[in-house]
Amino acid sequence: DTGVSQNPRHKITKRGQNVTFRCDPISEHNRLYWYRQTLGQGPEFLTYFQNEAQLEKSRLLSDRFSAERPKGSFSTLEIQRTEQGDSAMYLCASSLVGTRPDTQYFGPGTRLTVL
Amino acid sequence: QKEVEQNSGPLSVPEGAIASLNCTYSDRGSQSFFWYRQYSGKSPELIMSIYSNGDKEDGRFTAQLNKASQYVSLLIRDSQPSDSATYLCASRQGSQGNLIFGKGTKLSVKP
Repeated sequence: DTGVSQNPRHKITKRGQNVTFRCDPISEHNRLYWYRQTLGQGPEFLTYFQNEAQLEKSRLLSDRFSAERPKGSFSTLEIQRTEQGDSAMYLCASSLVGTRPDTQYFGPGTRLTVL
Repeated sequence: QKEVEQNSGPLSVPEGAIASLNCTYSDRGSQSFFWYRQYSGKSPELIMSIYSNGDKEDGRFTAQLNKASQYVSLLIRDSQPSDSATYLCASRQGSQGNLIFGKGTKLSVKP
């Protein structure tokens, strides 16, 4: 257990529905990352925050995806109008900027299945 | 397109042997490199990070970096069945920012 928690751990939804995932990072960590991983692939970067500011978004992040970190603590990732191609493991990681190494610790992930 | 390449395996080694995992990266600007272990259905767990050319040892694990050849490797000595997992290589530009992962190499250690 790295101290990063994610909820829910599993989500099954029907195509076209909206889903929201939550990530709680390690308490003193100021950076929070979202990745997506499909079967047989490595994690792919989606977006990251430093405190409450969203600093970078991947080209993979279509306009159906939105992420927030309103108070610089937990973060939410929302997918609107889900598609079957959104089925994946969504991973959250956190780190403390200024430490060396700036190690990213991953949460257990949320597995999304879109029917 | 910044890429990290790994042989997907599976790599099978007998218990007690040395497992050698390799990774190449395309972005010469990459400065830091990481090896994560991922058990089936679980999230990645950091094993080693390396920033400078040469070797870095931690217990049974040795990471090797050759920036001129854009090559990173991980050696696991005295391999155990519990080491059976997928090993993900990742690179990053600078000391901060997102990681770029390879597809991972599946390692199987046979008793």
